[in-house]
Amino acid sequence: NAGVTQTPKFQVLKTGQSMTLQCAQDMNHEYMSWYRQDPGMGLRLIHYSVGAGITDQGEVPNGYNVSRSTTEDFPLRLLSAAPSQTSVYFCASSYSPRDEQYFGPGTRLTVT
Amino acid sequence: QQQVKQSPQSLIVQKGGISIINCAYENTAFDYFPWYQQFPGKGPALLIAIRPDVSEKKEGRFTISFNKSAKQFSLHIMDSQPGDSATYFCAGPDRDDKIIFGKGTRLHILP
Repeated sequence: NAGVTQTPKFQVLKTGQSMTLQCAQDMNHEYMSWYRQDPGMGLRLIHYSVGAGITDQGEVPNGYNVSRSTTEDFPLRLLSAAPSQTSVYFCASSYSPRDEQYFGPGTRLTVT
Repeated sequence: QQQVKQSPQSLIVQKGGISIINCAYENTAFDYFPWYQQFPGKGPALLIAIRPDVSEKKEGRFTISFNKSAKQFSLHIMDSQPGDSATYFCAGPDRDDKIIFGKGTRLHILP
Protein backbone atom coordinates (compact mmCIF):
# COMPACT_ATOMS: atom_id res chain seq x y z
CA ASN A 1 0.00 0.00 0.00
CA ALA A 2 1.27 3.44 -0.92
CA GLY A 3 -1.10 5.02 1.64
CA VAL A 4 -1.91 8.67 0.94
CA THR A 5 0.12 10.30 -1.81
CA GLN A 6 0.29 13.98 -2.62
CA THR A 7 1.81 15.79 -5.58
CA PRO A 8 3.65 18.03 -5.98
CA LYS A 9 5.83 18.22 -2.86
CA PHE A 10 6.75 21.84 -3.49
CA GLN A 11 5.19 24.53 -5.68
CA VAL A 12 5.76 28.23 -6.30
CA LEU A 13 2.96 30.20 -7.90
CA LYS A 14 2.51 33.79 -8.91
CA THR A 15 -0.51 35.71 -7.67
CA GLY A 16 -3.51 34.97 -9.85
CA GLN A 17 -2.30 31.64 -11.18
CA SER A 18 -4.39 28.51 -10.70
CA MET A 19 -3.28 25.00 -9.94
CA THR A 20 -4.46 21.64 -8.65
CA LEU A 21 -2.95 19.77 -5.72
CA GLN A 22 -3.36 16.05 -6.21
CA CYS A 23 -4.26 13.56 -3.49
CA ALA A 24 -4.79 9.84 -3.87
CA GLN A 25 -5.24 6.94 -1.46
CA ASP A 26 -5.25 3.20 -2.02
CA MET A 27 -6.89 2.09 1.24
CA ASN A 28 -10.50 2.26 0.00
CA HIS A 29 -11.27 5.01 2.51
CA GLU A 30 -14.57 6.79 2.16
CA TYR A 31 -13.60 9.90 4.15
CA MET A 32 -11.04 12.32 2.74
CA SER A 33 -10.10 15.84 3.74
CA TRP A 34 -7.77 18.73 2.98
CA TYR A 35 -6.03 20.82 5.63
CA ARG A 36 -3.73 23.77 5.57
CA GLN A 37 -1.10 24.23 8.24
CA ASP A 38 0.23 27.64 9.15
CA PRO A 39 2.54 28.51 12.07
CA GLY A 40 0.57 28.86 15.30
CA MET A 41 -2.73 28.00 13.59
CA GLY A 42 -2.69 24.24 13.78
CA LEU A 43 -4.46 22.25 11.08
CA ARG A 44 -7.43 24.02 9.54
CA LEU A 45 -9.97 22.08 7.51
CA ILE A 46 -10.50 23.38 3.97
CA HIS A 47 -12.88 20.83 2.41
CA TYR A 48 -13.87 17.28 3.14
CA SER A 49 -15.71 14.40 1.51
CA VAL A 50 -17.63 11.52 3.08
CA GLY A 51 -17.67 9.54 -0.16
CA ALA A 52 -17.48 9.74 -3.95
CA GLY A 53 -19.69 12.49 -5.30
CA ILE A 54 -20.10 14.19 -1.91
CA THR A 55 -18.06 17.17 -0.73
CA ASP A 56 -18.56 19.85 1.89
CA GLN A 57 -16.85 22.96 3.18
CA GLY A 58 -14.61 23.11 6.21
CA GLU A 59 -13.41 26.08 8.25
CA VAL A 60 -11.48 27.91 5.51
CA PRO A 61 -12.97 27.02 2.09
CA ASN A 62 -12.70 30.37 0.33
CA GLY A 63 -10.45 30.32 -2.73
CA TYR A 64 -10.46 26.53 -3.00
CA ASN A 65 -12.56 24.00 -4.91
CA VAL A 66 -12.71 20.22 -4.62
CA SER A 67 -14.38 17.34 -6.38
CA ARG A 68 -14.60 13.62 -5.60
CA SER A 69 -15.37 11.63 -8.73
CA THR A 70 -13.73 8.43 -7.42
CA THR A 71 -13.11 6.92 -3.99
CA GLU A 72 -9.35 7.14 -4.53
CA ASP A 73 -8.82 10.74 -5.63
CA PHE A 74 -9.57 14.06 -4.00
CA PRO A 75 -7.90 16.98 -5.83
CA LEU A 76 -7.80 20.50 -4.40
CA ARG A 77 -7.98 23.38 -6.85
CA LEU A 78 -6.74 26.89 -6.19
CA LEU A 79 -8.76 29.14 -8.44
CA SER A 80 -6.68 32.32 -8.35
CA ALA A 81 -3.71 32.04 -6.01
CA ALA A 82 -3.13 34.73 -3.40
CA PRO A 83 -0.15 35.26 -1.06
CA SER A 84 -2.48 34.39 1.86
CA GLN A 85 -2.63 30.85 0.46
CA THR A 86 1.07 30.32 1.12
CA SER A 87 0.99 27.32 3.42
CA VAL A 88 1.63 23.62 3.81
CA TYR A 89 -1.29 21.54 2.57
CA PHE A 90 -2.09 18.08 3.87
CA CYS A 91 -4.53 15.56 2.51
CA ALA A 92 -5.88 12.86 4.83
CA SER A 93 -8.12 9.82 4.52
CA SER A 94 -9.89 7.38 6.83
CA TYR A 95 -12.81 4.96 6.92
CA SER A 96 -14.82 7.58 8.80
CA PRO A 97 -14.21 10.80 10.80
CA ARG A 98 -14.24 8.57 13.91
CA ASP A 99 -11.29 6.48 12.78
CA GLU A 100 -7.58 7.05 12.39
CA GLN A 101 -6.76 9.74 9.84
CA TYR A 102 -3.89 8.85 7.52
CA PHE A 103 -2.04 11.93 6.32
CA GLY A 104 -0.05 12.44 3.15
CA PRO A 105 3.46 13.94 3.20
CA GLY A 106 2.20 17.44 2.40
CA THR A 107 2.65 20.05 -0.32
CA ARG A 108 4.55 23.23 0.51
CA LEU A 109 3.02 26.04 -1.54
CA THR A 110 4.45 29.54 -1.89
CA VAL A 111 2.51 32.28 -3.65
CA THR A 112 4.52 35.36 -4.62
CA GLN B 1 -15.40 29.71 17.05
CA GLN B 2 -12.71 27.53 18.57
CA GLN B 3 -14.28 24.17 19.29
CA VAL B 4 -11.09 22.53 20.52
CA LYS B 5 -8.77 24.37 22.92
CA GLN B 6 -5.38 22.82 23.43
CA SER B 7 -2.85 23.78 26.11
CA PRO B 8 -0.08 24.57 26.58
CA GLN B 9 1.14 25.98 23.27
CA SER B 10 4.67 24.86 24.05
CA LEU B 11 6.23 22.66 26.68
CA ILE B 12 9.78 21.92 27.77
CA VAL B 13 10.36 18.79 29.86
CA GLN B 14 13.50 17.21 31.21
CA LYS B 15 14.38 13.75 29.91
CA GLY B 16 12.68 11.16 32.08
CA GLY B 17 9.96 13.55 33.19
CA ILE B 18 6.23 13.51 32.53
CA SER B 19 4.78 15.58 29.69
CA ILE B 20 1.11 16.55 30.01
CA ILE B 21 -0.95 18.16 27.26
CA ASN B 22 -4.60 19.05 27.67
CA CYS B 23 -7.51 19.46 25.30
CA ALA B 24 -10.91 21.00 26.07
CA TYR B 25 -13.76 20.56 23.63
CA GLU B 26 -17.10 22.32 23.34
CA ASN B 27 -19.11 20.07 21.06
CA THR B 28 -20.91 17.36 23.00
CA ALA B 29 -21.26 15.41 19.74
CA PHE B 30 -17.57 14.52 19.93
CA ASP B 31 -17.30 10.76 20.37
CA TYR B 32 -13.75 10.04 19.31
CA PHE B 33 -10.73 11.67 20.92
CA PRO B 34 -7.40 11.20 19.14
CA TRP B 35 -3.94 12.63 19.68
CA TYR B 36 -1.69 13.06 16.66
CA GLN B 37 2.09 13.45 16.64
CA GLN B 38 3.92 15.43 13.97
CA PHE B 39 7.64 15.63 13.33
CA PRO B 40 9.12 18.52 11.30
CA GLY B 41 8.59 18.10 7.57
CA LYS B 42 6.16 15.19 8.01
CA GLY B 43 2.42 14.75 8.11
CA PRO B 44 0.70 14.09 11.44
CA ALA B 45 0.29 10.47 12.52
CA LEU B 46 -2.09 8.98 15.05
CA LEU B 47 -0.43 8.41 18.41
CA ILE B 48 -3.29 7.22 20.58
CA ALA B 49 -7.07 7.62 20.66
CA ILE B 50 -9.93 6.98 23.04
CA ARG B 51 -13.69 6.54 22.72
CA PRO B 52 -15.99 7.87 25.47
CA ASP B 53 -16.95 4.44 26.81
CA VAL B 54 -13.63 4.32 28.70
CA SER B 55 -11.94 6.97 30.83
CA GLU B 56 -8.33 5.99 30.25
CA LYS B 57 -6.19 4.15 27.71
CA LYS B 58 -2.53 3.31 27.98
CA GLU B 59 -0.15 2.33 25.20
CA GLY B 60 3.42 1.99 26.37
CA ARG B 61 4.59 5.33 27.77
CA PHE B 62 1.55 7.16 26.38
CA THR B 63 -1.71 7.50 28.30
CA ILE B 64 -4.86 9.30 27.26
CA SER B 65 -7.38 10.30 29.93
CA PHE B 66 -10.93 11.38 29.26
CA ASN B 67 -13.23 13.41 31.52
CA LYS B 68 -16.68 13.56 29.97
CA SER B 69 -18.25 15.85 32.57
CA ALA B 70 -15.44 18.41 32.20
CA LYS B 71 -15.31 17.94 28.42
CA GLN B 72 -11.58 17.46 28.55
CA PHE B 73 -9.07 14.85 27.51
CA SER B 74 -5.35 14.80 28.07
CA LEU B 75 -2.17 13.12 26.89
CA HIS B 76 0.44 11.98 29.39
CA ILE B 77 3.90 10.94 28.20
CA MET B 78 5.77 9.07 30.92
CA ASP B 79 9.58 8.87 31.00
CA SER B 80 9.76 11.48 28.22
CA GLN B 81 12.58 10.97 25.73
CA PRO B 82 14.30 13.37 23.28
CA GLY B 83 12.69 11.37 20.46
CA ASP B 84 9.29 12.49 21.76
CA SER B 85 10.13 16.07 20.78
CA ALA B 86 7.42 16.90 18.25
CA THR B 87 4.18 18.82 17.85
CA TYR B 88 1.07 17.17 19.28
CA PHE B 89 -2.50 17.80 18.19
CA CYS B 90 -5.81 16.79 19.70
CA ALA B 91 -8.88 16.54 17.48
CA GLY B 92 -12.53 15.61 17.42
CA PRO B 93 -15.39 15.13 14.94
CA ASP B 94 -18.37 17.47 15.14
CA ARG B 95 -22.02 16.78 14.26
CA ASP B 96 -21.37 17.55 10.58
CA ASP B 97 -18.53 15.01 10.43
CA LYS B 98 -15.93 17.76 10.23
CA ILE B 99 -12.76 16.97 12.12
CA ILE B 100 -11.59 19.91 14.20
CA PHE B 101 -7.97 20.06 15.34
CA GLY B 102 -6.45 21.95 18.23
CA LYS B 103 -3.72 24.47 17.48
CA GLY B 104 -0.98 22.13 18.60
CA THR B 105 1.59 21.86 21.38
CA ARG B 106 5.29 21.98 20.60
CA LEU B 107 7.02 19.61 22.98
CA HIS B 108 10.76 19.74 23.55
CA ILE B 109 12.48 17.15 25.71
CA LEU B 110 15.81 18.26 27.11
CA PRO B 111 18.54 15.59 26.89
